[in-house]
Amino acid sequence: AQSVTQLGSHVSVSEGALVLLRCNYSSSVPPYLFWYVQYPNQGLQLLLKYTSAATLVKGINGFEAEFKKSETSFHLTKPSAHMSDAAEYFCAVSDFTGGGNKLTFGTGTQLKVEL
Amino acid sequence: GAGVSQSPSNKVTEKGKDVELRCDPISGHTALYWYRQRLGQGLEFLIYFQGNSAPDKSGLPSDRFSAERTGESVSTLTIQRTQQEDSAVYLCASSSRTSGSYEQYFGPGTRLTVT
Repeated sequence: AQSVTQLGSHVSVSEGALVLLRCNYSSSVPPYLFWYVQYPNQGLQLLLKYTSAATLVKGINGFEAEFKKSETSFHLTKPSAHMSDAAEYFCAVSDFTGGGNKLTFGTGTQLKVEL
Repeated sequence: GAGVSQSPSNKVTEKGKDVELRCDPISGHTALYWYRQRLGQGLEFLIYFQGNSAPDKSGLPSDRFSAERTGESVSTLTIQRTQQEDSAVYLCASSSRTSGSYEQYFGPGTRLTVT
């Protein structure tokens, strides 16, 4: 069965500093991996996805993530944080059993950006 | 274009009552998913519909939960005899299998509070 672990339920960074949100996965098959962002009282928005092509994936709003099979990791980074990045971030792995793409999510990381 | 919509946005109900939650997927999307997000937790998969195939109900937590979808259109999630532990945000997502990576587009959710 697939699973996702997000280390750090809360991360705080200064504006302009590096953002690093950690995600480790477990999957019995080559995974598809996703990062979603959730702003208050809104649905989830896809930031980026890994689907077995390039291991360094670039997404929206300056975010990127690197798939590292040896470390079973898919950490999310952004070189310079902006106040508007404050939100909750979810890492997810695909589970294709049953024919669909059921996503297994981590418990989320709340990102706080301080002046 | 129009995204995934859900109604109502908020629902407060008394313990023991039945509730119906509605999801309108993106037009043309053949796959539809329901997830539950309890406070402080990640999203849990509930049920998956793909066209006219039998739904994957493997995530439904109890027989009080059921869902229907007619063809590739609207879906309703029904919770019978609601309990306080059913309080959560219920999110719907749709996707097109032609996308290749099964990217899911999420609605804003229905916040259910059982008193």
